[in-house]
Amino acid sequence: EVQLVESGGGLVQPGGSLRLSCAASGFTFSSYSMNWVRQAPGKGLEWVSYISSSSSTIYYADSVKGRFTISRDNAKNSLYLQMNSLRAEDTAVYYCASLSIHHDAFDIWGQGTMVTVSS
Amino acid sequence: AIQLTQSPSSLSASVGDRVTITCRASQGISSALAWYQQKPGKAPKLLIYDASSLESGVPSRFSGSGSGTDFTLTISSLQPEDFATYYCQQFNSYPHRLTFGGGTKVEIK
Repeated sequence: EVQLVESGGGLVQPGGSLRLSCAASGFTFSSYSMNWVRQAPGKGLEWVSYISSSSSTIYYADSVKGRFTISRDNAKNSLYLQMNSLRAEDTAVYYCASLSIHHDAFDIWGQGTMVTVSS
Repeated sequence: AIQLTQSPSSLSASVGDRVTITCRASQGISSALAWYQQKPGKAPKLLIYDASSLESGVPSRFSGSGSGTDFTLTISSLQPEDFATYYCQQFNSYPHRLTFGGGTKVEIK
């Protein structure tokens, strides 16, 4: 079964750090570029970051640039998001999502992991 | 960054109704647009890619159209399982500065 499973979310104080993980199974993870997308409570979807299949190309949304770092380990079929200097506005469900190899769309999504930034 | 404006932001409809949702881009994006369905507490699900191509396994009552700046998602006959929030997403500027529309919530009348 094709699957993405996020983990690592939780409650963190403002200014703190958290590392999210996304474990892939059922497909050739190393062939896919990957993304993080977040959704604040009751709000819409916001793209956060992109990493190419070989990690050679990385992009971030302006809202997280300089604070978040995306990475991957193809040997472990895993995607990561290191989040530093967290702010209240980073509170959201974080999803990992893969870009389809065949067309421009996110065709595989994880179930999401909740990050709450609060004192 | 390219902005996507969805309308309406919410609508009420009955089972069997034809429903149309609009997504307007702030600049031309050719056909680089996808549509997703999201139910409460769940991850988004891909419905349409390249503006009008139906994802495998998605019911044929869903269809997409448009190019350039104006796009529509149509549900030809609304079913009980279709009550959800729908989002458009542009890929013209992929892989950076990706944007989603604000969403359209389809509720039961």
